[in-house]
Amino acid sequence: NAGVTQTPKFQVLKTGQSMTLQCAQDMNHEYMSWYRQDPGMGLRLIHYSVGAGITDQGEVPNGYNVSRSTTEDFPLRLLSAAPSQTSVYFCASSYTRREPQHFGDGTRLSIL
Amino acid sequence: SQQGEEDPQALSIQEGENATMNCSYKTSINNLQWYRQNSGRGLVHLILIRSNEREKHSGRLRVTLDTSKKSSSLLITASRAADTASYFCATDQGYQKVTFGTGTKLQVIP
Repeated sequence: NAGVTQTPKFQVLKTGQSMTLQCAQDMNHEYMSWYRQDPGMGLRLIHYSVGAGITDQGEVPNGYNVSRSTTEDFPLRLLSAAPSQTSVYFCASSYTRREPQHFGDGTRLSIL
Repeated sequence: SQQGEEDPQALSIQEGENATMNCSYKTSINNLQWYRQNSGRGLVHLILIRSNEREKHSGRLRVTLDTSKKSSSLLITASRAADTASYFCATDQGYQKVTFGTGTKLQVIP
């Protein structure tokens, strides 16, 4: 079992560029979520999904898009990168919201 | 805004000592979870306590929950250097959202 796999691990972008952060899980989990982690801020929820075809906004959704076409994959898209989006991004999954979440090892993103 | 706030922000202890960290939250919850994060890695789940439970144990970990005070504590007994990490509480408030606190950074000195 690979668990939750995030790619890439590191990425540097220029302001205005777009990119997709990939997240895949092989545990047949229905609930998936994206967080960003900034120093002193803890983890903040960006978007989440309770199953294929269903997504919703979290605490800090602006500038990000998600889709969930399959149970396994939950990509996060940055539409037009801004320096304020420099952060470490974590994807997580669980059977339901109330169950413990399994985290990937994160994508470290720098926007210049 | 953050639902959970951990206290202290940082804690440094000697190996073998106990470490206690606290989490306060603002609204009613269904459950509260504690996670550990080693440097450069993702979070790892430690323990879940439901709103109708007051105390829970797992190995060297002891978690308490006081819903009247909207607070929880995590006690790590007989700490080891390998316990050096950041610890986060996470609250399930309903509405399909789980929110995390700002974390306590624990350093265990060998």
